[in-house]
Amino acid sequence: EDQVTQSPEALRLQEGESSSLNCSYTVSGLRGLFWYRQDPGKGPEFLFTLYSAGEEKEKERLKATLTKKESFLHITAPKPEDSATYLCAVISGTYKYIFGTGTRLKVLA
Amino acid sequence: NAGVMQNPRHLVRRRGQEARLRCSPMKGHSHVYWYRQLPEEGLKFMVYLQKENIIDESGMPKERFSAEFPKEGPSILRIQQVVRGDSAAYFCASSPIELAQETQYFGPGTRLLVL
Repeated sequence: EDQVTQSPEALRLQEGESSSLNCSYTVSGLRGLFWYRQDPGKGPEFLFTLYSAGEEKEKERLKATLTKKESFLHITAPKPEDSATYLCAVISGTYKYIFGTGTRLKVLA
Repeated sequence: NAGVMQNPRHLVRRRGQEARLRCSPMKGHSHVYWYRQLPEEGLKFMVYLQKENIIDESGMPKERFSAEFPKEGPSILRIQQVVRGDSAAYFCASSPIELAQETQYFGPGTRLLVL
């Protein structure tokens, strides 16, 4: 069964303290992996799409990487405004996203 | 360039009433997906629609739930005779074309509370 596991569930960082969020997946034929940011009371906001192992994408302080079994979202020198829940989703052969439960990130000033 | 729009943003219903959730996809998008998010859980796929067609409703409960995407107007998710367990956030997403790897863009959600 296709599955996505995100870790840690929650993460507290000091401003400027870099870290990584993990998304492990088990799917039969990965077609795409997606990272979203979700703020309280809002819908998921698209960040990145990764299609093949070895692929990397960057946006401001965020960098997403992909291997055959997992993806990492690296946050460099985070700021308080980066506080949010980060969601990972995969597609395996159909259009249905399979979401992880997310990592709740809190960045302290 | 307006994003995906959903209304209402918040909806309160008493048990047994009907809930109607609306979704207007992004301009140029003809594919709509509905997801449900329960507290402390990930988003779960419910249904995938194109204009006037339900493509996949495998994630939607067979009773009380229905969805449509008419030729004109928004997509509608209808929940009849709501129960407390239906309380959740319902998100709509859209994409421009039917590709398995196509990015889906999400709306702000409708938060349904059943009293």
